[in-house]
Amino acid sequence: QQQVKQSPQSLIVQKGGIPIINCAYENTAFDYFPWYQQFPGKGPALLIAIRPDVSEKKEGRFTISFNKSAKQFSLHIMDSQPGDSATYFCAASKGSNYKLTFGKGTLLTVNP
Amino acid sequence: GAGVSQSPSNKVTEKGKDVELRCDPISGHTALYWYRQSLGQGLEFLIYFQGNSAPDKSGLPSDRFSAERTGGSVSTLTIQRTQQEDSAVYLCASSSPPANYGYTFGSGTRLTVV
Repeated sequence: QQQVKQSPQSLIVQKGGIPIINCAYENTAFDYFPWYQQFPGKGPALLIAIRPDVSEKKEGRFTISFNKSAKQFSLHIMDSQPGDSATYFCAASKGSNYKLTFGKGTLLTVNP
Repeated sequence: GAGVSQSPSNKVTEKGKDVELRCDPISGHTALYWYRQSLGQGLEFLIYFQGNSAPDKSGLPSDRFSAERTGGSVSTLTIQRTQQEDSAVYLCASSSPPANYGYTFGSGTRLTVV
């Protein structure tokens, strides 16, 4: 049972575009929703996270939108840059320090 | 240390051999996690240690997999009688509850079973 579904699998945008990555979850007990960024050969790094008591959170060029009733959340990257090219994973857990259930990842390519 | 350290970074082993993967978490982090990342897949939870509590082993795929954490710090993931389907990147992460900063991952050990 895949508890966190992520789409698309891959995404190509031009520099300055706004890629959007979507995730949907099933377990209503989840209360912590982070996004991780992974570069080749490296471990994932926490990018931004949200809890279900807010509908949006912004950190720099990265924004999470959260829809509790639809059990969906998404990552938007404003003014994307070639350096943003990486694999992005959404995840969910009960609390911020317990096992995370990850989506399968989105490979983002930002062309110059 | 400054980050989560994993060793070795790469390991090639023959089918049927045992392997040990090591993780040094960030000093002071009481929670430690092991995940497995297969090609084109997301991260699969394996095991979770929190302080002196009994570990959550619910993600271990078979009894060939085991892990221990000594002295609340270093952890070793052991895979016995390796199979080709064990080939993956094994990632370790640590965190410090109740901080809301999430996990810090190491760079992983790439295991190849031939």
